[in-house]
Amino acid sequence: DAGVIQSPRHEVTEMGQEVTLRCKPISGHNSLFWYRQTMMRGLELLIYFNNNVPIDDSGMPEDRFSAKMPNASFSTLKIQPSEPRDSAVYFCASSFGGLSSYEQYFGPGTRLTVT
Amino acid sequence: LAKTTQPISMDSYEGQEVNITCSHNNIATNDYITWYQQFPSQGPRFIIQGYKTKVTNEVASLFIPADRKSSTLSLPRVSLSDTAVYYCLVGPPYGNKLVFGAGTILRVKS
Repeated sequence: DAGVIQSPRHEVTEMGQEVTLRCKPISGHNSLFWYRQTMMRGLELLIYFNNNVPIDDSGMPEDRFSAKMPNASFSTLKIQPSEPRDSAVYFCASSFGGLSSYEQYFGPGTRLTVT
Repeated sequence: LAKTTQPISMDSYEGQEVNITCSHNNIATNDYITWYQQFPSQGPRFIIQGYKTKVTNEVASLFIPADRKSSTLSLPRVSLSDTAVYYCLVGPPYGNKLVFGAGTILRVKS
């Protein structure tokens, strides 16, 4: 398996623009997670899905952020409008639920820079 | 979720055994202890998970005393490539919610 796939790997955009990050989880995994990592705040969970349904979005910073999972093999995280403080590395992770649910597989991340 | 405390950083030399201790005084009965490793410019990677006593795999060992209020990740004979941030997480095996703390920056020197 190719692991968790994220695109793009790098994104540079101007303040106010819409940004869409994409994730393809590992086939067969039924949970998907979006994280954000910055030097100041570390690694934060934004939202997670189980069987394509959002379970906990309490980490989503504000209404400018939205996430969807239309099917088991694809998810998006959208920021509209983007702001410089959104600059961070965004990771997507997937796992198979149950006792092994703490074993999450992370993608390579998308480095977002908002100028 | 139980709060964890681990050293901010540690230095070691190649070939040495490294032990990173994590304190989790408020661990609940059904909580598991999980360790992740993160290399620069990569996502975290699961290393090991345990509930009590000792767990060993091809990468590391995890020692958990009887009271479970702490745990120690042991990396045998580290190499330069083991330089990374190591995170200790504590929580129930269900719910899927990982909470990462600051982690321990391990620097391995030649």
